[in-house]
Formats: sequence, structure tokens, C-alpha cells
Amino acid sequence: QVQVQQWGAGLLKPSETLSLTCAVYGGSLSNYYWSWIRQPPGRGLEWIGEINLSGRSDYNPSLRSRVTISEDTSKNQLSLKLSALTAADTAVYYCARGVGWTQRFDYWGQGTLVTVSS
Amino acid sequence: DIQMTQSPSSLSASVGDRVTITCRASQNINNYLNWYQQKPGKAPKLLIYAASSLQSGVPSRFSGSGSGTDFTLTISSLQPEDFATYCCQQSFRTPYSFGQGTRLEI
Repeated sequence: QVQVQQWGAGLLKPSETLSLTCAVYGGSLSNYYWSWIRQPPGRGLEWIGEINLSGRSDYNPSLRSRVTISEDTSKNQLSLKLSALTAADTAVYYCARGVGWTQRFDYWGQGTLVTVSS
Repeated sequence: DIQMTQSPSSLSASVGDRVTITCRASQNINNYLNWYQQKPGKAPKLLIYAASSLQSGVPSRFSGSGSGTDFTLTISSLQPEDFATYCCQQSFRTPYSFGQGTRLEI
């Protein structure tokens, strides 16, 4: 049974860099696409970006200049860095596995609330 | 980018009701459409993929239909545990995008 666990700092100041890690247990990270998705309080989901089977990343153009997604296959972990934070980046951040030709998200981390406030 | 629009944004219903939620894409996405259920404080849960395929373990009262730009999620007979928020997601092209959600209330 695949389990996805994520962690990282929950309270950051404007201009700082968000850093989150997602670990996969019971399955291989490298056989799937993995995405980061966020949800501002009371709002809908926003796709941040993904890392594919070749380790290549693809980002939402709205965040591309500030985001980096990488993986450490030896640890079966995925990471997200988002720089130059503002209050608009306050959200619950999720990692999720993309599977199949439809790239549906079938396994999700538990979510990490990141609050950006001075 | 592909925009996803859901309707209604909220819906009141009762146990045993049949409900339908609609999702419209701003361009043709064939059947690259997935549906999720989300409860407060929890991650989304995949219900339907490829517009009409039921995810393993999901009750058969959930069904999906549509192709191109117009899609529907139907719950045939609402159960108490179905009161939640539902959203659609297009996976036709990155950046993947989600509908704003439909809140299903008692």
C-alpha cells in the first residue's frame, strides 16, 4: 500500500523561500510522475508543477520563475522550493502521484499548511 | 491555459437524492477529465478518471460522463458520507487545471 508523507516549515515571512519534502513509502518514486498542488484557504486547487519519469520538471507558467521541483530517488523523496514568498502564497500544499495516460492523481500527501506573514 | 468551470458552486440535497454536477472546459479536452471529492481538512480523493472510469474502491453510485468540453458527475443516491466538495480536473495539457469546486450540502 502506497503512503505519501510530507513535511516542511509552516510559517514563513514575505520574501523567504518555501521548502517542502514529500516521501513515498510502499512504492517507487521514479516509476511515476509527481506533482505539487496547492489550495489557498477557502479556494480551489492550483497545479504548481510536476517531475516526470526522466526527472524533468514542468511548471505552471504563473509560478515558473519562482519554483523548483526536484527528486532524490535514493531516498524516494520529492521536494518543492518556492522563492520570493508573498501573502498570496499562503495555502495548503499537497504532493500527489500522477498515473496512467490520463495523469490522474491517485495518491496524495496529507497536505502542509504554509502561512506567509510578517 | 485551459479554464474549467463548474456548476453549480453549491447544491443542497437530501439523503437518497440523485444529483448531477457539471464541468465545462474552455477548449476540447477529449476525455482527459478527472473528478475528485474533498472533505474539510483532507486531501482530495480520486473518484472518476478519463471522464467515465470509476476509480478502484469507489462506490458504484458515482458515475461520470461527457467528452470534448462538457462533463457531468452523477451521484445516483446520496449517502450521508457524500456531503463534501467535488471538483473536476483536466489532464489534457499542462498546466493542469481544476474547477472551482461544488459544495454539496444537506
